Amino acid sequence: QVQLQQSGPGLVKPSQTLSLTCAISGDSVSSNIAAWNWIRQSPSRGLEWLGRTYYRSKWYRDYAVSVKSRITINPDTTENQFSLQLDSVTPEDTAVYFCARDMWGYYYDFWGQGILVTVSS
Amino acid sequence: ETVLTQSPGTLSLSPGETATLSCRASQGINRSYLAWYQQKPGQAPRLLIYGVSTRATGIPDRFSGSGSGTDFTLTISRLEPEDSAVYYCQQHKSAQWTFGQGIKVEIK
Repeated sequence: QVQLQQSGPGLVKPSQTLSLTCAISGDSVSSNIAAWNWIRQSPSRGLEWLGRTYYRSKWYRDYAVSVKSRITINPDTTENQFSLQLDSVTPEDTAVYFCARDMWGYYYDFWGQGILVTVSS
Repeated sequence: ETVLTQSPGTLSLSPGETATLSCRASQGINRSYLAWYQQKPGQAPRLLIYGVSTRATGIPDRFSGSGSGTDFTLTISRLEPEDSAVYYCQQHKSAQWTFGQGIKVEIK
């Protein structure tokens, strides 16, 4: 059974960088058929896909247009996990952040528990 | 970006009834890339249906999906109290993934 365990701070100051990690058990971040995603949810924006990373002989990343200029998603093969960095955050980035696995880009079958990140001074 | 519009906003039904949830896309979607999720308060979304009509592992056959092109439907038959939740459709096109705004299903 795949499990995703999220970690990171729940409070970030405006203009700083939001950093979260998602530890994978039961699968590999280097899987040739899965991809590893970050998705957030807020009352104003609903469920919003942010980006993903995946390995197909080399590492790839896809990012949502809305955050493309300030997002980085990186795999960590040593720890079997992946991370999210979102730069220059504003209060509009306040949301519950989820990590999730997708299979072939079709659907998200396993999710992390979610972390509420509040952007406030 | 493909926008998904779900309707109605809320459904209030009694146990044993059938819920019909609609998801309309702003442009045509490949059948392989349309999925449905159930979310209960304080939990992550749970995959119900993928590829328009394929039930995920462990999902009862009371849940069924249909549709093509721009119009898709999730049907929940023989409603049970545990079906009370928000339901989302989700699509993938051109390396961008989007969700609908959700439909709240209340069981009376």
